[in-house]
Amino acid sequence: RKEVEQDPGPFNVPEGATVAFNCTYSNSASQSFFWYRQDCRKEPKLLMSVYSSGNEDGRFTAQLNRASQYISLLIRDSKLSDSATYLCVVNPAGNNRKLIWGLGTSLAVNP
Amino acid sequence: DAGITQSPRHKVTETGTPVTLRCHQTENHRYMYWYRQDPGHGLRLIHYSYGVKDTDKGEVSDGYSVSRSKTEDFLLTLESATSSQTSVYFCAISERDTNNQPQHFGDGTRLSIL
Repeated sequence: RKEVEQDPGPFNVPEGATVAFNCTYSNSASQSFFWYRQDCRKEPKLLMSVYSSGNEDGRFTAQLNRASQYISLLIRDSKLSDSATYLCVVNPAGNNRKLIWGLGTSLAVNP
Repeated sequence: DAGITQSPRHKVTETGTPVTLRCHQTENHRYMYWYRQDPGHGLRLIHYSYGVKDTDKGEVSDGYSVSRSKTEDFLLTLESATSSQTSVYFCAISERDTNNQPQHFGDGTRLSIL
């Protein structure tokens, strides 16, 4: 099993749709989690950290399920500008030298 | 956006030549990182720095060296470039190196080794 796994997609959704991605991780001791977005040929940008209690930032909601070892990202009311690749990042060791990056899930929001 | 500048943004060079990539930050963050991103792989850490003159190896450090003589600058050197080092290179910074401290990235350098 890969350390971090994501469905590569692509997810094609119409504007206004709700879409959800999951990311599974193998190390049950993992301590922190992030979602980044990466536009084509650009740098990864932090979207949100994922807290144990879950967290919400506008149209974006992140959840952590430790029992099943996955994190999720929910995007409501999708915009064209949400089209990007979403990278799941897991920190199994408590420091940034050991971050495990997923390969990303591609999202295309269509008019 | 975090004040991180990478240079050059694009470079094409030949096998066997030395190449140096520069990362410059204006955030005064202690921790700096060099990653490479390749198709089929997640971001992979090459080297990192935890202070001036303090550096250590990451997951894929073979063929690369780094130097950090000032807080704001972190250099990545390919002593003798090989075609397998063709990649997109990202520099990242973070204020601390603990849980829940996200990294912020520069724009990247696209490097082609012919």
